[in-house]
Amino acid sequence: GQSLEQPSEVTAVEGAIVQINCTYQTSGFYGLSWYQQHDGGAPTFLSYNALDGLEETGRFSSFLSRSDSYGYLLLQELQMKDSASYFCAVRGSQGNLIFGKGTKLSVKP
Amino acid sequence: DAMVIQNPRYQVTQFGKPVTLSCSQTLNHNVMYWYQQKSSQAPKLLFHYYDKDFNNEADTPDNFQSRRPNTSFCFLDIRSPGLGDAAMYLCATSRSTGPNQETQYFGPGTRLLVL
Repeated sequence: GQSLEQPSEVTAVEGAIVQINCTYQTSGFYGLSWYQQHDGGAPTFLSYNALDGLEETGRFSSFLSRSDSYGYLLLQELQMKDSASYFCAVRGSQGNLIFGKGTKLSVKP
Repeated sequence: DAMVIQNPRYQVTQFGKPVTLSCSQTLNHNVMYWYQQKSSQAPKLLFHYYDKDFNNEADTPDNFQSRRPNTSFCFLDIRSPGLGDAAMYLCATSRSTGPNQETQYFGPGTRLLVL
């Protein structure tokens, strides 16, 4: 089977840096994705890592270590609009996604 | 703009009354997915179409069916909705090959209420 673990909640202040960790167990690994979902909204794609290392996209970066079955999403220069749920997800053999339970990020002034 | 569209955004149905949710896409993606998301939970894949090939998740109840008449449209049919089926239903698309195939594009969702 496949399972993902991530913290349920994280709180940080504007301008800070926050890291959301994700560990996974899968029968076959094709990549780790991160999605953002605001309350009442649809998930939107943030990043994807298939290989070890760091991927940077503006204020957001994502890291993967396949040997440790571990990844993280790093959010820098936090803004109020970053308050949302963040899901890590592993990609199945047919492109389907298995999501973690999500981390609710609250950004305080 | 290319997008994934879901109608309606809110759907109210009665216990046991069949309901159909719709999804259309202008992205010309060959893979379409239906997810169920309950409050404060992760999206859960119900099934997906790889072109016309239907793939059902093992734990998707028989009460849920799907149709994909063409590339652009996909429907979710709930034959006899129960109170436990109240949720947000998300449609998503992706490519199976080529650039950005790892990205799924989600529609805004249909929130289903069962009375």
